[in-house]
Amino acid sequence: GENVEQHPSTLSVQEGDSAVIKCTYSDSASNYFPWYKQELGKGPQLIIDIRSNVGEKKDQRIAVTLNKTAKHFSLHITETQPEDSAVYFCAALFSNDYKLSFGAGTTVTVRA
Amino acid sequence: NAGVMQNPRHLVRRRGQEARLRCSPMKGHSHVYWYRQLPEEGLKFMVYLQKENIIDESGMPKERFSAEFPKEGPSILRIQQVVRGDSAAYFCASSIGGANEQFFGPGTRLTVL
Repeated sequence: GENVEQHPSTLSVQEGDSAVIKCTYSDSASNYFPWYKQELGKGPQLIIDIRSNVGEKKDQRIAVTLNKTAKHFSLHITETQPEDSAVYFCAALFSNDYKLSFGAGTTVTVRA
Repeated sequence: NAGVMQNPRHLVRRRGQEARLRCSPMKGHSHVYWYRQLPEEGLKFMVYLQKENIIDESGMPKERFSAEFPKEGPSILRIQQVVRGDSAAYFCASSIGGANEQFFGPGTRLTVL
C-alpha cells in the first residue's frame, strides 16, 4: 500500500505567523491528496485537497502545493489564529484505489 | 443536511464482549469506509463497502471483526470477543463514489476494560 510520511509531528507558531506541514508519498501513481483537520474528540474534517493534475490550490488562508516529481505535498496556513490549533493529517489515494493512506499527523498549536 | 452519523460516540466493553458500531452515511452517499485510529496515530483503513457488498476488507483483522452495509439501515462494524488491543477510535467515512472525497463521522471511541 501507499506509504505517507508527515513532518513535523508537532508545530508551535505565534498567532499571525504561518505554519507549513510537509508530506511525502511513495507511490508515483497516487493522484489525490486531501488534508484533514481533527479537533480533540472529533472526526477528521476535510479542509482542502489537490489532484495530481494541479500544482497548487488555495482557499482563503489555506493552500496546498504538490510536487509530483519529488513526490511531496505541503499544507500552508497563513495568518494563523488560535482556532487553527488542531491535529492535521495528510493523506494520499492511489490511482484507481479508494482507501486513503494517512500520515501520522501534525499537532499544531497557535500561541496567542 | 446531516453529515456522517456514528453511534454510539463512546462504548465501553469488558474483554470477551461484543461491540457493535453503527454508521449512517451522508445523504446520497452509497460508499462507506471504516478506519481505526490508535492513540496519537494516523487513521488506518479497515474495510470498504457499498450497499450489500464488501469491496475491500484487506485492512480488517481476519478474526473477530466483520462489517456489513445492508440494503436498508446503517453500516455495522462488529467486533466479537473484544480484547484490550481493540481499544481505539473507529471512524466511518462516506463518499458519493469510489475515489471521491471522503467525509468522516465523529467516530466511536471504544474502550475495552
